[in-house]
Amino acid sequence: EAQVTQNPRYLITVTGKKLTVTCSQNMNHEYMSWYRQDPGLGLRQIYYSMNVEVTDKGDVPEGYKVSRKEKRNFPLILESPSPNQTSLYFCASSARSSTDTQYFGPGTRLTVL
Amino acid sequence: AQKVTQAQTEISVVEKEDVTLDCVYETRDTTYYLFWYKQPPSGELVFLIRRNSFDEQNEISGRYSWNFQKSTSSFNFTITASQVVDSAVYFCALSEVEYGNNRLAFGKGNQVVVIP
Repeated sequence: EAQVTQNPRYLITVTGKKLTVTCSQNMNHEYMSWYRQDPGLGLRQIYYSMNVEVTDKGDVPEGYKVSRKEKRNFPLILESPSPNQTSLYFCASSARSSTDTQYFGPGTRLTVL
Repeated sequence: AQKVTQAQTEISVVEKEDVTLDCVYETRDTTYYLFWYKQPPSGELVFLIRRNSFDEQNEISGRYSWNFQKSTSSFNFTITASQVVDSAVYFCALSEVEYGNNRLAFGKGNQVVVIP
């Protein structure tokens, strides 16, 4: 089954404790992206990747890192989480670019205390 | 910069009524793509439609229809004869080909509540 998976689905952590949210797709997509969703703000793009070793900032990249060492994986790293990073995070992938249909993972609900 | 506005925050309708969600966008590009996604209460994001700027034909898929008006920069979505299962947040999104920097810009979403 074609899908985007994220882990963990739920995470409660404390300020400053490094964490990684994994994202994997099995569709051989070149484009992958991370979004955060906050009430009243819709979805905002954090980082995206056009292909292996090619990543770039989205609209709200501060406090986040990403890497793309393999085509299928695109982890999101919070090196020193803060409470304002409490949010619902989505990973997505598409065939080549942001103009192609993006397929989303199930979401990761992160709470930073 | 690409921008999407969905003005109505929450819309309540009685089952079987029609509901139209407005999406107005801003772009300086001549080639761009518009999308609608549905987010039901379970939280996942479900793709509904993708439309490029050169295809101005309206589209119908079952009870869903989309009206693309390039002259007013709008891409409105109508649910006909709404059902309780249509209760969800609906997002409109835009990606420019030349100026979009490979980003997808979302509107803030419309919360649709269908009352049985």
